[in-house]
Amino acid sequence: TQLLEQSPQFLSIQEGENLTVYCNSSSVFSSLQWYRQEPGEGPVLLVTVVTGGEVKKLKRLTFQFGDARKDSSLHITAAQPGDTGLYLCAGDSSNTGKLIFGQGTTLQVKP
Amino acid sequence: GAVVSQHPSRVICKSGTSVKIECRSLDFQATTMFWYRQFPKQSLMLMATSNEGSKATYEQGVEKDKFLINHASLTLSTLTVTSAHPEDSSFYICSARYSPKLTDTQYFGPGTRLTVL
Repeated sequence: TQLLEQSPQFLSIQEGENLTVYCNSSSVFSSLQWYRQEPGEGPVLLVTVVTGGEVKKLKRLTFQFGDARKDSSLHITAAQPGDTGLYLCAGDSSNTGKLIFGQGTTLQVKP
Repeated sequence: GAVVSQHPSRVICKSGTSVKIECRSLDFQATTMFWYRQFPKQSLMLMATSNEGSKATYEQGVEKDKFLINHASLTLSTLTVTSAHPEDSSFYICSARYSPKLTDTQYFGPGTRLTVL
């Protein structure tokens, strides 16, 4: 069974702090996606990484795909209350579109 | 980004009845759609892969006779929960695979909250 271990599962920080969320697996992924989900809504795609070692930036968010394509991280700089939400990583190991989701990270940024 | 819709957004039904949920890709054609289930404070669990023109493939532990999937066209997939019971109450989310040229992205619907009394 393929697993994608996401950590931490809960994070409560003050506005302005930095944070990193990790997703790790023993499986190789053809692509890995990061989503953000608000309560009662579907996940919204933030980024897709496909190349080992790839780094993508989205404003204050930096996404990295491990060299071996088994792990990924999301780093948020100077977090803001608007960043509060559930962050999910999801990997596609067979290039079929079937995604394995991590457990999710609930982020709370306090003003 | 591409838009995927779901209908209804919320449904409450009595135990033993069947409920149909629709998933539509509004501005692109999707040969593959996926159905997920999400319980409170948990992540998404893949239930099945819906392929246009062919039978759906189900993940281990998901009853195909209980969760009927029909992918009638390149923009519509339906999930029917048959003889629903309270333990089927959950948040059901679909996604549609968008694969133009060399890119491959999945877009998710807004979800359907099913409550079985």
